[in-house]
Amino acid sequence: DGGITQSPKYLFRKEGQNVTLSCEQNLNHDAMYWYRQDPGQGLRLIYYSQIVNDFQKGDIAEGYSVSREKKESFPLTVTSAQKNPTAFYLCATHNPGHINYGYTFGSGTRLTVV
Amino acid sequence: QKEVEQDPGPLSVPEGAIVSLNCTYSNSAFQYFMWYRQYSRKGPELLMYTYSSGNKEDGRFTAQVDKSSKYISLFIRDSQPSDSATYLCAMSAAAGNKLTFGGGTRVLVKP
Repeated sequence: DGGITQSPKYLFRKEGQNVTLSCEQNLNHDAMYWYRQDPGQGLRLIYYSQIVNDFQKGDIAEGYSVSREKKESFPLTVTSAQKNPTAFYLCATHNPGHINYGYTFGSGTRLTVV
Repeated sequence: QKEVEQDPGPLSVPEGAIVSLNCTYSNSAFQYFMWYRQYSRKGPELLMYTYSSGNKEDGRFTAQVDKSSKYISLFIRDSQPSDSATYLCAMSAAAGNKLTFGGGTRVLVKP
């Protein structure tokens, strides 16, 4: 059963902590994305990767870091430098060669600072 | 000014009514247009995909693109309470490009 797995579903972070959100896919898609969604807001792009071992900053990369060591995995670390990390985080994949040019999204991770 | 504008709503309609959603955009290079549906606390799911101008119909859903006006629409006929969700438009200039999303419109269909 192909898809995207985001974990954990809920995550709590203390002030000053780094936390890592997991995104794993078995769709064999080349491109992967991380978005942040705040209540009542649209999607804001944090980082994206179009190929293994390469990634680019999105519109709101400050306070976040990523790695892309494997095609299947694109973890996102929310560092202590991100001053307002409470949000819903979505991972997406994309296969540019497919006739359906849309993204496939995971079910999200809700991060709360406590 | 945002590249893609979408009224946040909420848009409240009675069951069985037609839901009309739209987005305007400023980048004339956009050619690929999509609509996503997002239920609360879930990831968005692709609903409709359209290339260039014209209409596309899939069951109760119809997507329209008017590139001359830089305006896209989504119509939901015979709306059901299960259609209550946030609808996001998205677009890109080329197949391999990143998508640019609208802010989403929240829709409530009342029984």
